[in-house]
Amino acid sequence: DAKTTQPNSMESNEEEPVHLPCNHSTISGTDYIHWYRQLPSQGPEYVIHGLTSNVNNRMASLAIAEDRKSSTLILHRATLRDAAVYYCILRAYVGGTGNQFYFGTGTSLTVIP
Amino acid sequence: DAGVIQSPRHEVTEMGQEVTLRCKPISGHNSLFWYRQTMMRGLELLIYFNNNVPIDDSGMPEDRFSAKMPNASFSTLKIQPSEPRDSAVYFCASSFEGARTGELFFGEGSRLTVL
Repeated sequence: DAKTTQPNSMESNEEEPVHLPCNHSTISGTDYIHWYRQLPSQGPEYVIHGLTSNVNNRMASLAIAEDRKSSTLILHRATLRDAAVYYCILRAYVGGTGNQFYFGTGTSLTVIP
Repeated sequence: DAGVIQSPRHEVTEMGQEVTLRCKPISGHNSLFWYRQTMMRGLELLIYFNNNVPIDDSGMPEDRFSAKMPNASFSTLKIQPSEPRDSAVYFCASSFEGARTGELFFGEGSRLTVL
């Protein structure tokens, strides 16, 4: 299964940008990079995904390195509601049978008021 | 859309008892995943179904665990006999794999405590 490496924890001040890094040096050409987050006592929820180009949505931005061996999730203005565990995942596409999602240990983000 | 529905939300049982966790995926989704989450091991993929067929069950801990998906709208994860080390939160997730986005939608989880 495809592996990712993330820092165990990070802190940010409220209303400041947050850059959450992820290393995925074993990524293959067909793997998509997905980010999920898990709020306390909830199941994980989708944040954003990409393949090669940088991506933006209403929740965050995803910056993907040119060699695709790393990526960064960017929260433009952290709020207290963004305090969660953030998971970077490589979606391994098993041709004809769909996709597999393997979660690592994630980064626990603390937002300081 | 009701989302992924799991039951029970909480289960407390004694060692040796049979435990059955249930999941109803989002209508129209053709892939279903069972995960287990503990503090020590994080989120572990237990088994993955595509079009009701088990594709990868390499994450199932041992023979005490079994999972079925008799139709597109229902899946079960059974533990028999249960042990204290099975205590965890079990999540079910579903997705539609026709497109290459494959966003996972998770249920709220079933918290299992085995005494």
